[in-house]
Amino acid sequence: GENVGLHLPTLSVQEGDNSIINCAYSNSASDYFIWYKQESGKGPQFIIDIRSNMDKRQGQRVTVLLNKTVKHLSLQIAATQPGDSAVYFCAENGSPGGSARQLTFGSGTQLTVLP
Amino acid sequence: KAGVTQTPRYLIKTRGQQVTLSCSPISGHRSVSWYQQTPGQGLQFLFEYFSETQRNKGNFPGRFSGRQFSNSRSEMNVSTLELGDSALYLCASRDSTDTQYFGPGTRLTVL
Repeated sequence: GENVGLHLPTLSVQEGDNSIINCAYSNSASDYFIWYKQESGKGPQFIIDIRSNMDKRQGQRVTVLLNKTVKHLSLQIAATQPGDSAVYFCAENGSPGGSARQLTFGSGTQLTVLP
Repeated sequence: KAGVTQTPRYLIKTRGQQVTLSCSPISGHRSVSWYQQTPGQGLQFLFEYFSETQRNKGNFPGRFSGRQFSNSRSEMNVSTLELGDSALYLCASRDSTDTQYFGPGTRLTVL
């Protein structure tokens, strides 16, 4: 079946550097994408989203880029801080074969910020 | 505005038992979805409820069921528990822009 997957399972960055987390999706009908951050013992926390009619969206220290041609999504975190250490999931909110909407998650990337 | 709340936070059951988990969405949100999170399978969609009706269902056996009440609160039930049902069960409520906000989850351990 169609799925959303992440390129790298782990990413380590120095504090203050920029982080880039990548995600590939396979459902070409997907029109809405979300990035979540999950810290240990907590539920996923919404970070930023983007719709398929956009290529880029910026938030506070975060930017999401969408390349529909190659079905690729990325999350950029500027000036990474220790509090950014977490697992990051991309998700698509398409409708694979159905009329209702559900989130399909990637496998997640563990981001570790080094002091 | 209060976030999504889930009770209980932790639960230990034995094989063959049944369990009921509860979720209260963000005030004003009418859609509630349930997800199962395990190390091996990641986050998987269970089902979604909207206005007391199940709107979509994932690929889980019939032992997994749910319902939604008129105040949008939702419960999910798992009957005849198996060891493989040990997981973090997450509830999410959806706002009018389709953004889903998750609760802290219920950690279910089946012994």
